[in-house]
Amino acid sequence: KNEVEQSPQNLTAQEGEFITINCSYSVGISALHWLQQHPGGGIVSLFMLSSGKKKHGRLIATINIQEKHSSLHITASHPRDSAVYICAAYSNYQLIWGAGTKLIIKP
Amino acid sequence: NAGVTQTPKFRVLKTGQSMTLLCAQDMNHEYMYWYRQDPGMGLRLIHYSVGEGTTAKGEVPDGYNVSRLKKQNFLLGLESAAPSQTSVYFCASRGGSSYNEQFFGPGTRLTVL
Repeated sequence: KNEVEQSPQNLTAQEGEFITINCSYSVGISALHWLQQHPGGGIVSLFMLSSGKKKHGRLIATINIQEKHSSLHITASHPRDSAVYICAAYSNYQLIWGAGTKLIIKP
Repeated sequence: NAGVTQTPKFRVLKTGQSMTLLCAQDMNHEYMYWYRQDPGMGLRLIHYSVGEGTTAKGEVPDGYNVSRLKKQNFLLGLESAAPSQTSVYFCASRGGSSYNEQFFGPGTRLTVL
């Protein structure tokens, strides 16, 4: 069993839909990192959170430390949101990576 | 600020050749990381550094060496390249707090023939 698990692996939705990507972890962490990897390969940091909720534009990330679970939500999804979304848990100095969720938003 | 830069962007090597990948950051970050990403796979940590003059092994260190002689630079060396090292290499850096996010370079696409 992987220490950081994401679901779903793949997600296809229509433009405008509300998107939820889940991340569960089994290790003790100091923080959780959500990142986005574009089809071209570039990796962008979206959120780092250790408690509660953060919002940036149409993106919202939440974390429940007791349940060891985090979610990434996208409101009013758009084709440009199509990318791989990755959660990674900070444990000691290192990130423990989830396998990623490939999101496709159709117009 | 340029952020995190990587040199070169692309490289083709023959088996047995050596090369060095350079990562530079201008954010005064303590921590620096080298990852590799194989097609359809997630990132795997090769080596990392928690400060100038220090390095440590990650998940897949074999066949690679690193050096952090200056705080802003983190070098990844391949002494004798093998086809199994064909991959995209990403460098990242972050500040010293546990709550600091990692910033990634654009990647280096390496092919070993």
